[in-house]
Amino acid sequence: DAGITQSPRHKVTETGTPVTLRCHQTENHRYMYWYRQDPGHGLRLIHYSYGVKDTDKGEVSDGYSVSRSKTEDFLLTLESATSSQTSVYFCAIRPDDDGEQFFGPGTRLTVL
Amino acid sequence: AQSVSQHNHHVILSEAASLELGCNYSYGGTVNLFWYVQYPGQHLQLLLKYFSGDPLVKGIKGFEAEFIKSKFSFNLRKPSVQWSDTAEYFCAVNANDYKLSFGAGTTVTVRA
Repeated sequence: DAGITQSPRHKVTETGTPVTLRCHQTENHRYMYWYRQDPGHGLRLIHYSYGVKDTDKGEVSDGYSVSRSKTEDFLLTLESATSSQTSVYFCAIRPDDDGEQFFGPGTRLTVL
Repeated sequence: AQSVSQHNHHVILSEAASLELGCNYSYGGTVNLFWYVQYPGQHLQLLLKYFSGDPLVKGIKGFEAEFIKSKFSFNLRKPSVQWSDTAEYFCAVNANDYKLSFGAGTTVTVRA
């Protein structure tokens, strides 16, 4: 257990509504990541953060924004959810320089 | 951009059979390599990792992987699988930046 929690764990929402997912870590690691997991695609990076207020885009960032106002929290926002954003979302942290990441329990999001 | 290819999408085998999952990556420089496992309904967990040194790496639960630099490969093996090895397996590559690139995953089903 790497001290990562995600909330909510499950959410069903409607197209066009805003959604915010929260990732919380207890160990103050600098790097945090948001991925989405879809069948046949593995995990794809949405956004990542390398410090408070320091974020950058990943490979599938369109339709998503992030914020990191505190070291321990990394928020992922879908400004206007679409059905294509139905997925399982994982947060991860990177404790060291070797590249290994530790993952949270995931959030299953369904957009109707 | 680096890419990671996993050759098998779904592998079905019987208990006690041997398992080998292929992974190839495209990046030509120094890389750190990882295999993660995701049991049904759970988050990703690290099986093993390679940074340098002995190209044969041993991980948890009897898994091992061999790094062959000339083939850009990092194949995962287990001599004798158990029903509890039923899971999805992901190869991942870190190429001296802040990110991990994942393969699409291989679903392994072990029949009792």
